[in-house]
Amino acid sequence: DQQVKQNSPSLSVQEGRISILNCDYTNSMFDYFLWYKKYPAEGPTFLISISSIKDKNEDGRFTVFLNKSAKHLSLHIVPSQPGDSAVYFCAPKETSGSRLTFGEGTQLTVNP
Amino acid sequence: EPEVTQTPSHQVTQMGQEVILRCVPISNHLYFYWYRQILGQKVEFLVSFYNNEISEKSEIFDDQFSVERPDGSNFTLKIRSTKLEDSAMYFCASSNAGESTNEKLFFGSGTQLSVL
Repeated sequence: DQQVKQNSPSLSVQEGRISILNCDYTNSMFDYFLWYKKYPAEGPTFLISISSIKDKNEDGRFTVFLNKSAKHLSLHIVPSQPGDSAVYFCAPKETSGSRLTFGEGTQLTVNP
Repeated sequence: EPEVTQTPSHQVTQMGQEVILRCVPISNHLYFYWYRQILGQKVEFLVSFYNNEISEKSEIFDDQFSVERPDGSNFTLKIRSTKLEDSAMYFCASSNAGESTNEKLFFGSGTQLSVL
């Protein structure tokens, strides 16, 4: 199932710098895009989302950008903090359904 | 903050045995889900459940799987005759709204199922 692709399995950044996590998708029926983060031994935790009618959504240090024509979205974290170290999943959904389709995840490591 | 609770955290079973994974969703939520993640693979949708019936299921959710909300608080996933390939982390999730909405899902910490 290659509907959602996170091409970078891992990303390492310095504390205080920007982290950029990318996600590509192929299903044009996706119209709502969620980002979840996951710490070891915990379930995924909702982080931020964006609707397809927008191209940007911001919540504190987290901003998600959506480029519908390119079927690409990205999550920006600035400034990055060591507590942000986790696996980040892109998980879009179609309006007509209830399922989330997860990407492979990107392991973010923020070094002090 | 309210949370989704899953028990047990680890379950070991023999191939061919029945297993029941238990979840207590957030109390005012109406939509319930099971997802799983096989080691090294993506998190995969299994099933969604609303108003005491399945609203959507994936190709993975075959006749060996069933879900139930036996009382007002628990939501269970039963695997009738476990196979080696059922070994995975199983996540329960719940939300306040379901299809055609953009309500976020709240996930439990998961049950690690090991089939020997």
